[in-house]
Amino acid sequence: KNQVEQSPQSLIILEGKNCTLQCNYTVSPFSNLRWYKQDTGRGPVSLTIMTFSENTKSNGRYTATLDADTKQSSLHITASQLSDSASYICVVSRQTGANNLFFGTGTRLTVIP
Amino acid sequence: EAQVTQNPRYLITVTGKKLTVTCSQNMNHEYMSWYRQDPGLGLRQIYYSMNVEVTDKGDVPEGYKVSRKEKRNFPLILESPSPNQTSLYFCASSRGDTSNQPQHFGDGTRLSIL
Repeated sequence: KNQVEQSPQSLIILEGKNCTLQCNYTVSPFSNLRWYKQDTGRGPVSLTIMTFSENTKSNGRYTATLDADTKQSSLHITASQLSDSASYICVVSRQTGANNLFFGTGTRLTVIP
Repeated sequence: EAQVTQNPRYLITVTGKKLTVTCSQNMNHEYMSWYRQDPGLGLRQIYYSMNVEVTDKGDVPEGYKVSRKEKRNFPLILESPSPNQTSLYFCASSRGDTSNQPQHFGDGTRLSIL
């Protein structure tokens, strides 16, 4: 069964600290993995997209890693800011089929001053 | 500015009263889809369209209809809304096959069915 699981469900950190969010998947055959940021009251916005051959990709203070062998990804946020408070959603794409996106339920991150 | 626009953003209505949520994108994207987002369940696909006049069911299509008469528009129709369709709805578009292209999401429509 194709699944995407994220952990933790929620996380509270102090401003300026680093954090890491996890995503494990069983989607096959794998095409790519995306991380989205969803601010409260807004739609998800793409942060990174990684294919099988990429094991790390950065977007400013956000760094995503991918281990295709263990089917795990992480999103590392460096020097967190209050504006990082959001839900982070992991989405895994399958190579075949038109209905080929599998969504995690997200990690809710709260950054406090 | 490239965007996906949904209307309305908020709607409270009653059971059985037909409603339509519009979605429009200005990026000339072929692929469009509708999702609902519920607490603890994440985003679930309702319907998708790979191009004009081509639509197909997603994971949770029951109680919904869509149409794709023009490339830019992809309305979601609830013919007889019920309380279990109370949710946050998102429209998304992408260029070509979603397996390779990131999706652009609208800002959501919060529907409450009483």
